[in-house]
Amino acid sequence: GAGVSQSPSNKVTEKGKDVELRCDPISGHTALYWYRQSLGQGLEFLIYFQGNSAPDKSGLPSDRFSAERTGGSVSTLTIQRTQQEDSAVYLCASSSQRSGYEQYFGPGTRLTVT
Amino acid sequence: ELKVEQNPLFLSMQEGKNYTIYCNYSTTSDRLYWYRQDPGKSLESLFVLLSNGAVKQEGRLMASLDTKARLSTLHITAAVHDLSATYFCAGGFDFGNEKLTFGTGTRLTIIP
Repeated sequence: GAGVSQSPSNKVTEKGKDVELRCDPISGHTALYWYRQSLGQGLEFLIYFQGNSAPDKSGLPSDRFSAERTGGSVSTLTIQRTQQEDSAVYLCASSSQRSGYEQYFGPGTRLTVT
Repeated sequence: ELKVEQNPLFLSMQEGKNYTIYCNYSTTSDRLYWYRQDPGKSLESLFVLLSNGAVKQEGRLMASLDTKARLSTLHITAAVHDLSATYFCAGGFDFGNEKLTFGTGTRLTIIP
């Protein structure tokens, strides 16, 4: 079946602008995760959704970052007033109890803030 | 807080040789994952290790987990060029919140 998809694949934005990143998880996967991969920080957890709720937002680096999930499916990660240090690859993953909580990753969105 | 240390960071090895990547973690985590990442690509799941003593093998790769030592290893047997990639281990705990804490990654280069 279809895997996790993310859009856009690449995004270049000017410092100070807002951006929205989208994740479509595998159908039926109840858990959804956002991670960030950058040269300086490696792979970092950002936020976790179970259904539409976010019981763990501990990885969001500042209040400029927010995320929502609707219908237990699509999730959007929003970064307001982007800064150069936000440049990274943003990865989304999904899992379910049926998959043994194994996380399947999407292709990522490469964000470049100029 | 779970911390995951991986070594070596870089590994260059000749085809046909064997080597091991080590993954140490700092606190109780009986759920350990290995992922592969090719340049410019996303993460591909290799192994999920769920219990002490778990050993899984796929082709030339074998992963094991020792929860008492808080150590997982990824062993490469008779390396071939196709195995060149970056390998990450990641720990998770709390069923129902499988947020992953990743190691730094090991960039593996297989030299003909």
